[in-house]
Amino acid sequence: AQRVTQPEKLLSVFKGAPVELKCNYSYSGSPELFWYVQYSRQRLQLLLRHISRESIKGFTADLNKGETSFHLKKPFAQEEDSAMYYCALSFPYGNNRLAFGKGNQVVVIP
Amino acid sequence: GAVVSQHPSRVICKSGTSVKIECRSLDFQATTMFWYRQFPKQSLMLMATSNEGSKATYEQGVEKDKFLINHASLTLSTLTVTSAHPEDSSFYICSARDSGRTTTYEQYFGPGTRLTVT
Repeated sequence: AQRVTQPEKLLSVFKGAPVELKCNYSYSGSPELFWYVQYSRQRLQLLLRHISRESIKGFTADLNKGETSFHLKKPFAQEEDSAMYYCALSFPYGNNRLAFGKGNQVVVIP
Repeated sequence: GAVVSQHPSRVICKSGTSVKIECRSLDFQATTMFWYRQFPKQSLMLMATSNEGSKATYEQGVEKDKFLINHASLTLSTLTVTSAHPEDSSFYICSARDSGRTTTYEQYFGPGTRLTVT
């Protein structure tokens, strides 16, 4: 079965401090991994995907196949980063469904 | 680009009635759409995959006769909650894949529909 684990439910950090959200997955094939973000009262939107290898809003995430991880990092948190963050995995079979982790609520303290 | 809309945004219905929720891709075609359910402060739970022109694929534990899905066009999927009960009250979210993009499995999400069954 495909599974995505985000161990910490709530993460509080001070503005300017680094933030790291952990994501581990279990899948034997070659998945595509995403980080989605949901700001207050807004829809879920894509933040990052591993195939793009880009930095969005200062966030980066590196796929580590050896550790089956896709941790999300930002060196200096901003207040506008307060949101729910979901790690998601898509796999080539089964209609390309997304399997979501339970999510991390990030609160950036001014 | 890549906007997905849902209608209605919120609905209140009486127990035993049926409710239809629409999901539309506004500027792209979507042969595949997905329906999720989200409980307060919890993650999204995939209910079913909606396939244009064919039957939906339901996840284990989701009653297909309870949650009817129709995907009659490349831009519209509907979810009908039949004989709704209070335990069906939830936030229902749809997403869609852009059929014109074959190199990514990215999904675009709708704003969600809040269903309350009284």
